[in-house]
Amino acid sequence: DAGVTQSPTHLIKTRGQQVTLRCSPKSGHDTVSWYQQALGQGPQFIFQYYEEEERQRGNFPDRFSGHQFPNYSSELNVNALLLGDSALYLCASSLRNNEQFFGPGTRLTVL
Amino acid sequence: AQSVAQPEDQVNVAEGNPLTVKCTYSVSGNPYLFWYVQYPNRGLQFLLKYITGDNLVKGSYGFEAEFNKSQTSFHLKKPSALVSDSALYFCAVRDNNAGNMLTFGGGTRLMVKP
Repeated sequence: DAGVTQSPTHLIKTRGQQVTLRCSPKSGHDTVSWYQQALGQGPQFIFQYYEEEERQRGNFPDRFSGHQFPNYSSELNVNALLLGDSALYLCASSLRNNEQFFGPGTRLTVL
Repeated sequence: AQSVAQPEDQVNVAEGNPLTVKCTYSVSGNPYLFWYVQYPNRGLQFLLKYITGDNLVKGSYGFEAEFNKSQTSFHLKKPSALVSDSALYFCAVRDNNAGNMLTFGGGTRLMVKP
């Protein structure tokens, strides 16, 4: 049984570019949450998707957007990248509001 | 708004000694509390959770945590530390009246020395 998977593992972009990160939830899970973990800090909640809709959002600008597909997988899109967007982006899946399981993350570096 | 504080950036302990990693929280409703561990260049691994019931929660790898409502604390403990326990530990809280969003503390680095 595969756990939460994320792609790519690492990504390097330049300021102003756009990026898409992908997440496949653990088998049987229907809810995906995204978190940003800056270096030396705890993860911060970006948003959560359930039934292909954004259900809850943290304190992140509209440059951060997402999508959930019918197979429950999800994408995180970030437009107009800033240096401060450099971080580890973590995806977590759950069955509705139950316990969240985290993927290994995507390390984004913005130059 | 909910928040978590982990007052120690780093905890040092000798192998075989007991360890405690501190966590205090603030939520408006009833808290769901979690501990996660993160190894270098890895995601978060779930250790244990408190939802309701017994104040002492037992989790993975011999870890346990004690929920104290009056002190709004949820300290992580282990009776005998292993060198392999060295990692970054995060406490998280969820307000069960505010969806599934987890709010994390800043993390505590645990260093277990042989």
